Amino acid sequence: GENVEQHPSTLSVQEGDSAVIKCTYSDSASNYFPWYKQELGKRPQLIIDIRSNVGEKKDQRIAVTLNKTAKHFSLHITETQPEDSAVYFCAASLHGTSYGKLTFGQGTILTVHP
Amino acid sequence: EAQVTQNPRYLITVTGKKLTVTCSQNMNHEYMSWYRQDPGLGLRQIYYSMNVEVTDKGDVPEGYKVSRKEKRNFPLILESPSPNQTSLYFCASSPLAVGISYNSPLHFGNGTRLTVT
Repeated sequence: GENVEQHPSTLSVQEGDSAVIKCTYSDSASNYFPWYKQELGKRPQLIIDIRSNVGEKKDQRIAVTLNKTAKHFSLHITETQPEDSAVYFCAASLHGTSYGKLTFGQGTILTVHP
Repeated sequence: EAQVTQNPRYLITVTGKKLTVTCSQNMNHEYMSWYRQDPGLGLRQIYYSMNVEVTDKGDVPEGYKVSRKEKRNFPLILESPSPNQTSLYFCASSPLAVGISYNSPLHFGNGTRLTVT
């Protein structure tokens, strides 16, 4: 089955700096890669996702890049703000079939210091 | 309001006492799933259901049961809970029966924190 590795496990940055979280996946058939943000005591919520036929996607201060050959994808947050502090999870799935599994990484605790 | 509702939010029980965590969604979603969240391990999928009466194992199904008799409900059953099932549990749903994708993102419930002593 799919295995997703996420690094780093914790990340501390100063407000205004950029933050990068990296994930690798094992199943070359995976074709959908979402990122979820979980604030303290809250549920995970989708913040951005990317399909395997796209190399990069941006949404304001957030971007995700995908390297299919190397089987890794990354989340980039620019101009970080204290409200970006949360746990971030990457995930991988196989879209378009009856395959219902979504495999998550271990999570990254991001702390943005004012 | 469109939502996934889990109950209870907190549950403390003893080893071996059967329990059920309920999950209900009001969005007419085809797909539903259960995850457990443990520090350092992320979210791990327990079971999922592509549609009514269709369920399948995720990555950590041992010790759990599920049923999908109606589209809106997907209860998680622990027949004989053990301390290693102490965890934070999330139910989630998505619109389509083709699994998770760009046009079928996951919507999570608020979580159930289970402690088994």
